[in-house]
Amino acid sequence: GQNIDQPTEMTATEGAIVQINCTYQTSGFNGLFWYQQHAGEAPTFLSYNVLDGLEEKGRFSSFLSRSKGYSYLLLKELQMKDSASYLCAVIDSNYQLIWGAGTKLIIKP
Amino acid sequence: DAMVIQNPRYQVTQFGKPVTLSCSQTLNHNVMYWYQQKSSQAPKLLFHYYDKDFNNEADTPDNFQSRRPNTSFCFLDIRSPGLGDAAMYLCATSRDGQGSDTQYFGPGTRLTVL
Repeated sequence: GQNIDQPTEMTATEGAIVQINCTYQTSGFNGLFWYQQHAGEAPTFLSYNVLDGLEEKGRFSSFLSRSKGYSYLLLKELQMKDSASYLCAVIDSNYQLIWGAGTKLIIKP
Repeated sequence: DAMVIQNPRYQVTQFGKPVTLSCSQTLNHNVMYWYQQKSSQAPKLLFHYYDKDFNNEADTPDNFQSRRPNTSFCFLDIRSPGLGDAAMYLCATSRDGQGSDTQYFGPGTRLTVL
């Protein structure tokens, strides 16, 4: 079966750094997405990785290791507005998007 | 601005009373998707259209139907809503559904079944 694993919930402090991990087992791999979803709203695109390594985009960075079936999303200089769920999703060999259940990130002052 | 629009944002229906959710897009994307998302769960793909080519997920209940009359519009029909169908329904689009093609989501319709 296909599986995406992420921690259910994480807590961090405003101004700090947090790393949200994602591991996957899928039939084939054509890329990995990270989406942000605020409560009651739709997911919004954050990043896409298909090659190994780190992609940096402002305060957010995403890392991929295909050999390990592993990715992480790194958020720096946390702000209260970063409180949201972060969903990891993998494109499999059939170009289907396989979603994780998301990690709820709670930011405390 | 190009976007994905869903109406209504909140829909209340009665048990067994048919309901239709709508989605429109100004992105001129070929692919449109309908997802069901329950609280703290991953979005679950119900259907997707590549242009007018309809693709039904194997585990989507028969109670759910979809129509795409043209490139811009897509509808989700729930023929006899049950209490278990209460969820957020998300419409998304992508350019061609291949490779790094990003999915862009509408704001969602939250369905309540009484």
